[in-house]
Amino acid sequence: DAKTTQPTSMDCAEGRAANLPCNHSTISGNEYVYWYRQIHSQGPQYIIHGLKNNETNEMASLIITEDRKSSTLILPHATLRDTAVYYCIVREYSGYALNFGKGTSLLVTP
Amino acid sequence: DAMVIQNPRYQVTQFGKPVTLSCSQTLNHNVMYWYQQKSSQAPKLLFHYYDKDFNNEADTPDNFQSRRPNTSFCFLDIRSPGLGDAAMYLCATSRGEGTATYEQYFGPGTRLTVT
Repeated sequence: DAKTTQPTSMDCAEGRAANLPCNHSTISGNEYVYWYRQIHSQGPQYIIHGLKNNETNEMASLIITEDRKSSTLILPHATLRDTAVYYCIVREYSGYALNFGKGTSLLVTP
Repeated sequence: DAMVIQNPRYQVTQFGKPVTLSCSQTLNHNVMYWYQQKSSQAPKLLFHYYDKDFNNEADTPDNFQSRRPNTSFCFLDIRSPGLGDAAMYLCATSRGEGTATYEQYFGPGTRLTVT
């Protein structure tokens, strides 16, 4: 699986959009970009994934650049409950392990 | 509407005393996983079941075993826990079709303390 690079930490004011970047410059054509998050002392939670088109669901939007070397997870109106570690993971549908990496610790402040 | 359930949430065991952690799911997913997450680290896959087929990660110690009696349940057995096995143990499930596996859904985890 391709390696990802994320900022160690980010802050966001409650109610504002949180934009979490991820670089995956070595991504291959059949690898998807997945985002998970882990709230303190809970299990990871699947957020969204995509191949090359932008994706949106009830939790977030995923913007993937045209060259697919980077992506941004957008939480449109961050709440205090969105404080968590966010993991960007690149993987094919084949294979089993999620290589979580270090992730970005997002702190949403009042 | 809990989907992946882990019991107990907290488990204390003594050094060397066998312990079993359990996981059940209501998603009817055919793939189940066990991850270990030590303090301040990312989760690390120990093994998974694809249907009834057990698949061990290469670096998972022999001390860790697993059982899957049916689609809904999976157990993690630690035969002789050491202090270094203290961690959060996470169960996850996903749909699998042929060689493809899809997004994984995690339980809340069991925090294991070894005294």
